[in-house]
Amino acid sequence: DAGVIQSPRHEVTEMGQEVTLRCKPISGHDYLFWYRQTMMRGLELLIYFNNNVPIDDSGMPEDRFSAKMPNASFSTLKIQPSEPRDSAVYFCASSDPLGQTYEQYFGPGTRLTVT
Amino acid sequence: SQQGEEDPQALSIQEGENATMNCSYKTSINNLQWYRQNSGRGLVHLILIRSNEREKHSGRLRVTLDTSKKSSSLLITASRAADTASYFCATDYTGANSKLTFGKGITLSVRP
Repeated sequence: DAGVIQSPRHEVTEMGQEVTLRCKPISGHDYLFWYRQTMMRGLELLIYFNNNVPIDDSGMPEDRFSAKMPNASFSTLKIQPSEPRDSAVYFCASSDPLGQTYEQYFGPGTRLTVT
Repeated sequence: SQQGEEDPQALSIQEGENATMNCSYKTSINNLQWYRQNSGRGLVHLILIRSNEREKHSGRLRVTLDTSKKSSSLLITASRAADTASYFCATDYTGANSKLTFGKGITLSVRP
């Protein structure tokens, strides 16, 4: 397996624009997590899904953020409209607890810069 | 907050020395995990220790867990320059339903 795949790897956009980040989890993993990492706040869990259903979105900062998982192999995190304070590295991770391994596998991240 | 807290925040050692990193947490856990992050990369799982375990080894890594003190330590023996990275502890606390809570990380620098 190629691991967790994220795209794009880098995104630079202007304030007010819509940003869409994409993630393909490892095949067979039934949990998918979206994190945001900044120097100030560290690694924050935004939302996670189980079997394509959102379980906990309490970390989503505000209504400008939304996430979907239309099928087991694809998820998106959308920011509309984007603001400079959204600049961060966004990670997607997947896991397979039913396989009795609770470790999370992280993608390479998307570095978002909002100017 | 359920967040694990690591200390020290930064650690600089000479190649060949041992590195010890600590993590404290606040509530009962199912397991505790350690991850490594190289600059510009995603996190990579290193080792998991369950709440009923006290010590675990994997290669040059040794992790201990003291549930009475709500703390864990990660020891890297005979460090190498390639061990230079940030290290995070993550807690899977009881009732979290597979959700992990990460600390802010420890920056380890291993000087050649």
